[in-house]
Amino acid sequence: SYVLTQPPSVSVAPGQTARITCGANNIGGKTVYWYQQKAGQAPVLVVYDDSDRPSGIPERFSGSNSGNTATLTISRVEAGDEADYYCQVWDSSSDQGIFGGGTKLTVL
Amino acid sequence: EVQVVESGGGLVQPGGSLRLSCAASGFTFRGHWMTWVRQAPGKGLEWVANINQDESEKYYVDSVKGRFTISRDNAKNSLYLQMNSLRAEDTAMYYCARGVRGVLPLDYWGQGTLVTVSS
Repeated sequence: SYVLTQPPSVSVAPGQTARITCGANNIGGKTVYWYQQKAGQAPVLVVYDDSDRPSGIPERFSGSNSGNTATLTISRVEAGDEADYYCQVWDSSSDQGIFGGGTKLTVL
Repeated sequence: EVQVVESGGGLVQPGGSLRLSCAASGFTFRGHWMTWVRQAPGKGLEWVANINQDESEKYYVDSVKGRFTISRDNAKNSLYLQMNSLRAEDTAMYYCARGVRGVLPLDYWGQGTLVTVSS
């Protein structure tokens, strides 16, 4: 089955840029979604269709997808961005929604 | 206001059954795919199953095929997950989520209902 690989953790100082990757074979040929999950809360969609933001999500959140890697970029990181982040795709070969293993973003 | 509220979780013995429900409000329920996602304690998200608007399409993660059944009642704005032959590894918080358009993305999530499979 299709596997999405994320780094377990990313650390960044406030004000800096965080980049969270999601790797898979030819992921650039699929549409990628990103979710943020803060401790004890349900996930929230932060990027859809590779690079679009839902209403209410700050412009600091952006996404890209090419080749074998999709990337969620968070600019000017704030303490409130500390959370787990998950990428997701729809795998049409198995008809299943696939999540990456998740990346814990720590704001130093 | 769009809301989805899960219920039905609890403690069940291995091999037992449980039926989860998700009550939807604030949107045209019959117009959306709906999905169940679970999260084992301290672990990541796992997509479990989804269903289209008229129940003609249902998809499941391999680990629950033959044991779980997803269904919906559009007249009651409700989504269900019938879970049979439960195993310890099914222990998780189960979330109900709405598909924005088609199967993904998932834009509204409930707060989850906890299922614990233990003797």
